[in-house]
Amino acid sequence: EVQLLESGGGLVQPGGSLRLSCAASGFSISRSWMDWVRQAPGKGLEWVASIKQDGTEKYYVGSVKGRFTISRDNAQNSLWLQMNSLRAEDTAIYYCAKEGTGNFDFWGQGTLVTVSS
Amino acid sequence: QSALTQPPSASGSPGQSVTISCTGTSSDVGDYPYVSWYQQHPGKAPKLMISEVTKRPSGVPDRFSGSKSGNTASLTVSGLQAEDEADYYCISWKTKLFGGGTKLTVL
Repeated sequence: EVQLLESGGGLVQPGGSLRLSCAASGFSISRSWMDWVRQAPGKGLEWVASIKQDGTEKYYVGSVKGRFTISRDNAQNSLWLQMNSLRAEDTAIYYCAKEGTGNFDFWGQGTLVTVSS
Repeated sequence: QSALTQPPSASGSPGQSVTISCTGTSSDVGDYPYVSWYQQHPGKAPKLMISEVTKRPSGVPDRFSGSKSGNTASLTVSGLQAEDEADYYCISWKTKLFGGGTKLTVL
């Protein structure tokens, strides 16, 4: 059974940093692009970042470029999102998602990040 | 780049059919094969319901179907059931921009 388990969320002050983790089980992430998608409270879904199977290509939504870094370790079957210079508008539930063919075919349960003083 | 356009709400009675639209442009919907739909119940993670405009993943009830006409993709839920009440989102893989979401209410 495919499972994605996020962790690392919490309360952080504006300007602070946080590192989210996503532990995968039931499949090998080495075969898939992996992504982070977020959802602000009461709002819709927003794709945040993607990383290729071998980590050589990374893409970000414009609002997080230069502040967030996506990374992976296929040997550990894990994905991370390093978030720096956090802003109030980064407050959201962050989901780890596995890519299928032109879709997100599996999602984790999410981890809540709150940026507030 | 603009997000895809969805109606904020839709509703239907049990047993009825309801269609949710997702409008983009020729480049991200009309001439592009990778549009997918997701169901999200309150407090839960999204779930893939339709991929590549019309394909239904294993385990998704056949009451859910997808289609496309011009620059508009659509999700149809036939034989509405109470458990179908949820938020629904579309996305074009061309831009990885989601629609704003549609809240489906089963009356």
